[in-house]
Amino acid sequence: QVYLQESGPGLVKPSETLSLTCSVFGDSFTKYYWSWIRQPPGKGLEWIGNIYQIGTTGYSPSLQSRLTISMDTSKNQFSLRLDSVTAADTAVYYCARKMYSFHHMFDYWGQGILVTVSS
Amino acid sequence: EIVLTQSPGTLSLSPGERATLSCRASQSVTSNSLGWYQQKPGQAPRLLMYGASNRATGIPDRFSGSGSGIDFTLTISRLEPEDFAVYYCQQYGDSPWTFGQGTKVDIK
Repeated sequence: QVYLQESGPGLVKPSETLSLTCSVFGDSFTKYYWSWIRQPPGKGLEWIGNIYQIGTTGYSPSLQSRLTISMDTSKNQFSLRLDSVTAADTAVYYCARKMYSFHHMFDYWGQGILVTVSS
Repeated sequence: EIVLTQSPGTLSLSPGERATLSCRASQSVTSNSLGWYQQKPGQAPRLLMYGASNRATGIPDRFSGSGSGIDFTLTISRLEPEDFAVYYCQQYGDSPWTFGQGTKVDIK
């Protein structure tokens, strides 16, 4: 059974950096694409970006200039770094696994972590 | 990027009724690369459908999907109490992958 768990600070100050880690349990980590997705309170979902093995990343154009996604295969973890945050970055952040197929849908999700940007 | 517009915003129905949810894309979605999720309060989304009409593992057959091009539909043939939730469509025909704003199915 696959299990994903997000971790990181729940409060970040404006203009600082948001850093989150997703730990993956029970899966072949290097076989899949792994994504970050966020959801502002009471709103819809936004795909942030993904990573496949080391060095292959895809980013949302709206966040690309502030975003870095990386992975540590020895720990079965991947990470999100979002620079220069504002209140608009307040959201529940999910990590998720892309299906092992042509279809870029997300079949396993973490439970989500609420990150609030506030001074 | 492809913008997905879902309608209606809220659908008020009774258990046993049929639910029809719409997702319209701002441009044609390549190879019917569209799917649906269900989300309940405080939970992560759950994958229901992919490739417009394929049910994900473990999804009951009262859920069905259809459509092509710019118009897609999720149908729940007979609503069960556990089906009252918010539903999102997502396209993956063109990066960045985008989601609709959601349709809430609530109890009438």
